Order: sequence, then C-alpha cells, then structure tokens
Amino acid sequence: GNSVTQMEGPVTLSEEAFLTINCTYTATGYPSLFWYVQYPGEGLQLLLKATKADDKGSNKGFEATYRKETTSFHLEKGSVQVSDSAVYFCALTDQAGTALIFGKGTTLSVSS
Amino acid sequence: NAGVTQTPKFQVLKTGQSMTLQCAQDMNHEYMSWYRQDPGMGLRLIHYSVGAGITDQGEVPNGYNVSRSTTEDFPLRLLSAAPSQTSVYFCASSSLAHGGPRDEQFFGPGTRLTVL
Repeated sequence: GNSVTQMEGPVTLSEEAFLTINCTYTATGYPSLFWYVQYPGEGLQLLLKATKADDKGSNKGFEATYRKETTSFHLEKGSVQVSDSAVYFCALTDQAGTALIFGKGTTLSVSS
Repeated sequence: NAGVTQTPKFQVLKTGQSMTLQCAQDMNHEYMSWYRQDPGMGLRLIHYSVGAGITDQGEVPNGYNVSRSTTEDFPLRLLSAAPSQTSVYFCASSSLAHGGPRDEQFFGPGTRLTVL
C-alpha cells in the first residue's frame, strides 16, 4: 500500500535560516500529497497540499512541489521564524482514497 | 463555528476500565476519523466513517469501537482499557469526495489518555 517516509528530527535552526524537510513516498496511482503542522498542545492543521504531479503547494512562506519522477514532496522555507517551531507531518491519500497516511513527523525548533 | 471538539482533554484510566471519547463537529462533514498519536509513530488511523450509520476500520482498530448515529458525532469507545492504549487521540473531519476525505481534514485539539 501507499506509504510516506520523512526525515527524522529534531531539526534545530536559527531564525532566518533556510529550512528543508525531506519527504518521499511510495504509492500506486496518483495520490494527493499534504504537509500538516502541529503547534505545541494543538491538533494538526493543513499547511499546504498538491493534488497532481508538478503542482506546487504554498502557504505562509512554505513551499513543496509534487515530484513524480523522484517520488518526493520536500517542504522548504527560505527564512524561518521562531513561531515556525512545531512538528511537521507529510501525508498522502491511501490507495483506496478513504484515509490519509501520515509520516512520523519532524520536530522543528527555531531559536532567536 | 466551533469546528471539531473533543472531550475530555485529559483522562486517566485503570487497566480494564471502559470509557468513551467524545468527538463532535459543526461543519456538516460526512467524513470523520479517529487517530492515535504515539512518539516516533506519527498518526495512525483507528476507525473512520463516511456518513451516519457507516463505519470502517483503519490501521489499528483492535480494542476500539465506534458508531455514527448522527452526522455531527463520532464517539470512540474503549471497552477494556490496556496500558498499550496510552496515547493522544485526535478526531478529524472533512467533506467527502469520491468516498474519502476531500483534501483538508480538520482536527480537534486531542484527548491525552493514560492507562495505568
């Protein structure tokens, strides 16, 4: 079945540094891809999504491009802020399209 | 709009006790789901529902029951709690597309459960 692998953390950066969190997937067909973010003590929120190859999702300065040839959906941000400290989850739709499959999460800690 | 609400926020149970985690949404979403979040494991799907009266199992359904009598509510029942069920539980909802969740799922704030 479909699965997703994302880089393990924690990732520790200084404010204004460049961020990349790697995500690769294995899938049958053409799943939709997502990045969710979980701030401390809260539930998950959708950060961005892409529904087909070469789509670029973007939100709040974060970007990710659906790369079918490398089966990847890496999350990037040019200049992180302290407020970006959170856990980031890569996800994709399962083969039947009835649920989401999440990666294990990557903790990002940004210091000033 | 309250979105997705979950109660209780925290719960401590003894092994063998039963309880129900409540989940409600006010967005008229057909699709609802329960996940558990454990350190190093990410989120794993327990059960989901695509409408009132319809439920199905996810990746880790053992030890949990669900029912969906209304569109708004999707309670999760632990019949006989075990320490392995110590976790944070999240309920989520979304509108439906092609039999599954349409893109964005809206998550509740979670219930932190400890089983002693």
